[in-house]
Amino acid sequence: EDQVTQSPEALRLQEGESSSLNCSYTVSGLRGLFWYRQDPGKGPEFLFTLYSAGEEKEKERLKATLTKKESFLHITAPKPEDSATYLCAVQKSGNTPLVFGKGTRLSVIA
Amino acid sequence: DAGVIQSPRHEVTEMGQEVTLRCKPISGHNSLFWYRQTMMRGLELLIYFNNNVPIDDSGMPEDRFSAKMPNASFSTLKIQPSEPRDSAVYFCASRGDAFEQFFGPGTRLTVL
Repeated sequence: EDQVTQSPEALRLQEGESSSLNCSYTVSGLRGLFWYRQDPGKGPEFLFTLYSAGEEKEKERLKATLTKKESFLHITAPKPEDSATYLCAVQKSGNTPLVFGKGTRLSVIA
Repeated sequence: DAGVIQSPRHEVTEMGQEVTLRCKPISGHNSLFWYRQTMMRGLELLIYFNNNVPIDDSGMPEDRFSAKMPNASFSTLKIQPSEPRDSAVYFCASRGDAFEQFFGPGTRLTVL
């Protein structure tokens, strides 16, 4: 069965304190791995898609990386506005829906 | 583009009542997904459609749940009768030829 596990469940950082969120997955025939950001009371907002091991993508203070078993979302010098839940999802081969992890709740304190 | 549109944004109803949630996907997208989100279980896929045809409804929890997509621009998720354990946030998402799914703002359902 396809599984996505995110850790930690919650993370509290001081402003400027860099860290990483982890997403480990087991899926046969990975087509893509996706990162979303979700703010309270809103729908998930798309951030990145990674397709193959070794790939990296960046957006402002966020950088996503992918290996054959896991992905990391690195947050460099975070700001309070980066506080949100970050969701990881995988898609296997074929026109299939995403399988989501339960997310990491990030709080950045000024 | 207005993005995925869902209505209502909030719904409070009493146990046993029928609830209908609505979704308008992004124009040109050919896949539509209904998810339910709770603190305990996270985001769960309920059903998805490709080109208006239901492909997999194995995530629909019970026969009380049904979904339709009569055309490319509209879908409904119906719960009849509703129960308190159905209280959750329900999201609709759509996808085009690219891999990314785009989510609507969700409907927060409370069943008393």
